[in-house]
Amino acid sequence: QSVLTQPPSVSGAPGQRVTISCTGSSSNIGAGYDVHWYQQLPGTAPKVFIYGDNNRPSGVPDRFSGSKSGASVSLAITGLQAEDEADYFCQSYDRTLSAYVFGTGTKVTVL
Amino acid sequence: QLQLQESGPGLVKPSETLSLNCTVSGDSISSSSYYWGWFRQPPGKGLEWIGSFYYSETTYYSPSLRSRVTISVDTSKNHISLKLSSAAAADTAVYYCARHLEKPGNFHYYPMDVWGQGTTVIVSS
Repeated sequence: QSVLTQPPSVSGAPGQRVTISCTGSSSNIGAGYDVHWYQQLPGTAPKVFIYGDNNRPSGVPDRFSGSKSGASVSLAITGLQAEDEADYFCQSYDRTLSAYVFGTGTKVTVL
Repeated sequence: QLQLQESGPGLVKPSETLSLNCTVSGDSISSSSYYWGWFRQPPGKGLEWIGSFYYSETTYYSPSLRSRVTISVDTSKNHISLKLSSAAAADTAVYYCARHLEKPGNFHYYPMDVWGQGTTVIVSS
């Protein structure tokens, strides 16, 4: 069940900045649970891109960044590149559902 | 290098039990500090957590699937098994296994950092 809401798609020209929102509630993001972002290329497994709200694993470009405000988080991509075209999911924990929960997913298209 | 590999039948009949294995190489499940989770992704949809296993501890299940799911370990083969009973068309998905460090429910936790490539299961007669 996707209790974290994301826009279905965002797009931008190379070099532009795009942001992906992930809206939760007081049972998950708003309760203070960590949020992670995953990138998923077609036909492949998810890959961690941001963890603990705004930390990048080694190998992830610094043009990816995360932020949090209340029950929402955002993933920003600055200097958009063709290789960034993929699906992005946010993930947290929901204490009401007692379950890890994922966002609905956002497809990033580079124009 | 740690690798996870899912395997199992790609086609399951409705009402039958869906059975998958996740073979772990590069770590021993029985002595690992990690939890081993199962996830799935229906076609065109988002990911869903099914449950997580930690050797010699409680297995955590998603409440929405708990009544139909069993996750267990075969230490001789170093693999985690998933069984989902009474399969239905809504269970058609790509099934992944992945590891994570903390038990479900911690406020601050590391992400699922190593994933298998996934295996597609279609439930159809």
